[in-house]
Amino acid sequence: TQLLEQSPQFLSIQEGENLTVYCNSLSVFSSLQWYRQEPGEGPVLLVTVVTGGEVKKLKRLTFQFGDARKDSSLHITAAQPGDTGLYLCAGLQTTDSWGKLQFGAGTQVVVTP
Amino acid sequence: IAGITQAPTSQILAAGRRMTLRCTQDMRHNAMYWYRQDLGLGLRLIHYSNTAGTTGKGEVPDGYSVSRANTDDFPLTLASAVPSQTSVYFCASSVVQGGSYGYTFGSGTRLTVV
Repeated sequence: TQLLEQSPQFLSIQEGENLTVYCNSLSVFSSLQWYRQEPGEGPVLLVTVVTGGEVKKLKRLTFQFGDARKDSSLHITAAQPGDTGLYLCAGLQTTDSWGKLQFGAGTQVVVTP
Repeated sequence: IAGITQAPTSQILAAGRRMTLRCTQDMRHNAMYWYRQDLGLGLRLIHYSNTAGTTGKGEVPDGYSVSRANTDDFPLTLASAVPSQTSVYFCASSVVQGGSYGYTFGSGTRLTVV
């Protein structure tokens, strides 16, 4: 069982459509991060959210951290083929004194022209 | 270009053989990590090191060992490879332990144990 559950596992949409990816947990996190991974490459950090209720925007991507710091969402507006990739959420548990990130299994997003 | 270098890029290994996956970073990051990525399971932590000279076990450490003799290098050794260790292995680093500034990942090593 993953500590961080991502949904959906797979998402295929047309260019110009909107999409939302969810990351949920029963645990509280001191911070939560989103990464994007392309085939044959390692994940690349997109954003870090720290405060409950925080919203961050990165061009057409909007990230939100839940008020209780147990969940997060990633919303993409007017998706483009370049948004295709595996989106991973990762959290730092408040109870982890060693500070190791826990990763979700990822959401594979495919945007077709 | 600053970052993490992993070698080899891919490898086919006979079961029972010993192998070391190499990881070098040039960012002077204190913390380093080894993950394996398997379909449907995501990234799972194998071992980590918060500073040179110290290491710790992650979620799936059995069959693997690491060392951290200096800040830059963090090799992962499979003492006697088994087919279940077929996976894509990623090395990562962060400025300080806790990863609050995010992790930087290498491009991975694709390992097949036959």
